[in-house]
Amino acid sequence: DGGITQSPKYLFRKEGQNVTLSCEQNLNHDAMYWYRQDPGQGLRLIYYSQIVNDFQKGDIAEGYSVSREKKESFPLTVTSAQKNPTAFYLCASSIGNRFEQFFGPGTRLTVL
Amino acid sequence: AQKVTQAQTEISVVEKEDVTLDCVYETRDTTYYLFWYKQPPSGELVFLIRRNSFDEQNEISGRYSWNFQKSTSSFNFTITASQVVDSAVYFCALRDTDKLIFGTGTRLQVFP
Repeated sequence: DGGITQSPKYLFRKEGQNVTLSCEQNLNHDAMYWYRQDPGQGLRLIYYSQIVNDFQKGDIAEGYSVSREKKESFPLTVTSAQKNPTAFYLCASSIGNRFEQFFGPGTRLTVL
Repeated sequence: AQKVTQAQTEISVVEKEDVTLDCVYETRDTTYYLFWYKQPPSGELVFLIRRNSFDEQNEISGRYSWNFQKSTSSFNFTITASQVVDSAVYFCALRDTDKLIFGTGTRLQVFP
């Protein structure tokens, strides 16, 4: 089955620790995206990548980092510099920027 | 400015009622793309529709229909004969260059 997987579904970390969220897709999509969603709010773009080894900052990139070494993988690291990291993180991919994005199931990160 | 406004924060209906979710957009582009997504309680965003600005025909898919009006910059979504399974948060989005701009979403609750 083609799709996007994110792991883990729930993640707990202590304050001050970096944490990496996984996102993998087997849809052969070129573009991948990371969004953050806070309770009762819309999605805010963190980072996106349109091609391997290239990525761009979104609207709220501070405190986050990404890599795109393989077409199918786009991991997101939430660093200790992110002041309020507790949120729901969604990964998405698309064939290209004109087309619809398909989303993974999300990772709910709680920093204690 | 590129912007999507979903003024309805929450809507409650009783099963079998029709309901319309509003979406108003602002864009500087002459050609643009609009999208609707559904986010059920599980959290994963489900793609519903993509609409090109040069195609003003309204679209119907089962109980779902979309009314695109360039004159009022609106792309409204109607669910006919709503069902409990339609309960979710619905997001409207606008493509901005190589990313999507999401509205803040409308939470729809359908009661039996």
